[in-house]
Formats: sequence, C-alpha cells, structure tokens
Amino acid sequence: GDSVTQMEGPVTLSEEAFLTINCTYTATGYPSLFWYVQYPGEGLQLLLKATKADDKGSNKGFEATYRKETTSFHLEKGSVQVSDSAVYFCALLSGGSYIPTFGRGTSLIVHP
Amino acid sequence: DAGVTQSPTHLIKTRGQQVTLRCSPKSGHDTVSWYQQALGQGPQFIFQYYEEEERQRGNFPDRFSGHQFPNYSSELNVNALLLGDSALYLCASSLSASGYNEQFFGPGTRLTVL
Repeated sequence: GDSVTQMEGPVTLSEEAFLTINCTYTATGYPSLFWYVQYPGEGLQLLLKATKADDKGSNKGFEATYRKETTSFHLEKGSVQVSDSAVYFCALLSGGSYIPTFGRGTSLIVHP
Repeated sequence: DAGVTQSPTHLIKTRGQQVTLRCSPKSGHDTVSWYQQALGQGPQFIFQYYEEEERQRGNFPDRFSGHQFPNYSSELNVNALLLGDSALYLCASSLSASGYNEQFFGPGTRLTVL
C-alpha cells in the first residue's frame, strides 16, 4: 500500500538557517504530493503541492520538487524564521483515490 | 468566507461514554472527511462522506460512525469510548468535482477520555 516516510524530528535551527525536511514515498502509479503545516493548537494547512514528476511546489519561501527517480519530495527553505516553528507533514494522494496518506510529521523549532 | 469549522474545541469524557463531534465544511464544498490524529502522529483517515453517504472508510471499528446532512455538514459519533480514543479529531472538506480533491482542514476537536 501507499506510505510516506519523513525524517524524525525535532529539527532545531537558528533563525535564518537553511531548512531541509526529507520525505520519501511508496505508491502505485503517479501520486500527487503535498506538504501540510500544523501550527500549535491548529489544524493542518496546505503549504504546497506538486502533481507530476519534476514539478516544483512553492509557497511562503518553501519549496519542494517532485523527484520520481528517487521517490522523494523534500521540503526546503533558504532562511527560516521563528514563525516557521510548527509540525510539517508530507502526504500523497494516489490517482483515483480520495484519501491522502500522511507521514508522521516532523517538528521544526526555530530559535531567535 | 468561513473555512472549515468544528465544535466543540475541547471535550472530556469517561470510558464507556458516547461522543458526537460536529463539522461545517468550507462554503461550496460537498465532501467531508474525518481523521484521528494521536499525539505525535500524522492524521489517520476514519471515513469520508459525500451526498450523505459514507463513500470510503479507513481501518476503524464500527464504534466510529458518522452522518452527513443535506447542507453538507457532518457529525462523527464514537460509542463506548476507550482511553485510546483520546486524540485530536480533524474534519476536512473538499469539492468532489475538483481535480486535486484538495482538502481544507478545520482546527480540530481535542477529545480526552479519562
């Protein structure tokens, strides 16, 4: 079945540091890929998405590229802020499915 | 435009009790999905409702049931509560006709079972 594997957290960074959160997946066919963010005490918000190989999703300075050859969708940001502290979830949606499969989430803590 | 709303925000119950959680989808959305998010875990799919019918169900026991109303709002019912049912319950809405089936999440209901 479909699955998503994320790097374990917490990831702790200083403000303005470079961020990478790794995500790899297993799926049949060509899924759509997503990153969601969950701020403390809130529900999930869609951060970015990519629907086919080599697509790059981007939003709020975050980027992720759909790499079919490595089945990966790593999240990156060039300069993190304290306000980026949250839990980040990688997810996939297989073609024909209505239900996304989520990873376990990676907590990001950014210090001033 | 209001997004997805859920009520109540927090709830405390004891083992064996029953609970009902409520969700109003984002305006224009016709599909509602429910997820259970245990502490430190990703959301686990419970079921999805479309046109007042359960369209798909995850690996949850029959103690978990739901309903969708003609205005697309939805309820999640859990009977015979167990300690392990303590979690954040998320509702997500989407438009069935949209190509991505992109889901918009509510803030969740935090259920604590004592």
